[in-house]
Amino acid sequence: EAQVTQNPRYLITVTGKKLTVTCSQNMNHEYMSWYRQDPGLGLRQIYYSMNVEVTDKGDVPEGYKVSRKEKRNFPLILESPSPNQTSLYFCASSQGFFTGELFFGEGSRLTVL
Amino acid sequence: AQKVTQAQTEISVVEKEDVTLDCVYETRDTTYYLFWYKQPPSGELVFLIRRNSFDEQNEISGRYSWNFQKSTSSFNFTITASQVVDSAVYFCALSGMEYGNKLVFGAGTILRVKS
Repeated sequence: EAQVTQNPRYLITVTGKKLTVTCSQNMNHEYMSWYRQDPGLGLRQIYYSMNVEVTDKGDVPEGYKVSRKEKRNFPLILESPSPNQTSLYFCASSQGFFTGELFFGEGSRLTVL
Repeated sequence: AQKVTQAQTEISVVEKEDVTLDCVYETRDTTYYLFWYKQPPSGELVFLIRRNSFDEQNEISGRYSWNFQKSTSSFNFTITASQVVDSAVYFCALSGMEYGNKLVFGAGTILRVKS
């Protein structure tokens, strides 16, 4: 089954404790992206990757890091989480870049205390 | 700048009513793509439609229809004979070369369909 898998789905952590949200897709997509969803703001792009070893900042990259060492994986790293990073996070992938349908993971709800 | 505006924050209708969700966009690109996504209460994001800027034909898929008008920069979504299962947050989104490879989302419209 074609899917984008994120882990963990739910996480409560404390300020400053490094965490990684994993994302994996099995569709051989070149393009992957991370979004955060906050009430009233829709989804905002954090980082995206057009291919292996190619990543770029989205609209709200501060406080986040990503890596794309393999085509299927695109982890999101919060080196020192802060409460303003409490949000719902989505990973997505697509075959095309700005033309393709984005396939989303199920979301990861992160709470930073 | 590339921008998507969904002015309706929340809409409530009674089952079987028709409802239209508005989407207005801004872009300097001549080639761009418009999308609608649905987010049901379970939280996942479900792709509904993609439309490129050169195709202004309206589209119908079952009870769903989309009206794309370049003259007014709008891409509105109508649900005919709404059902409770249509209750969700609906997002309109835009992508184009002006903004790199980014999909820009509107703030979303919460649709509540009551039985």
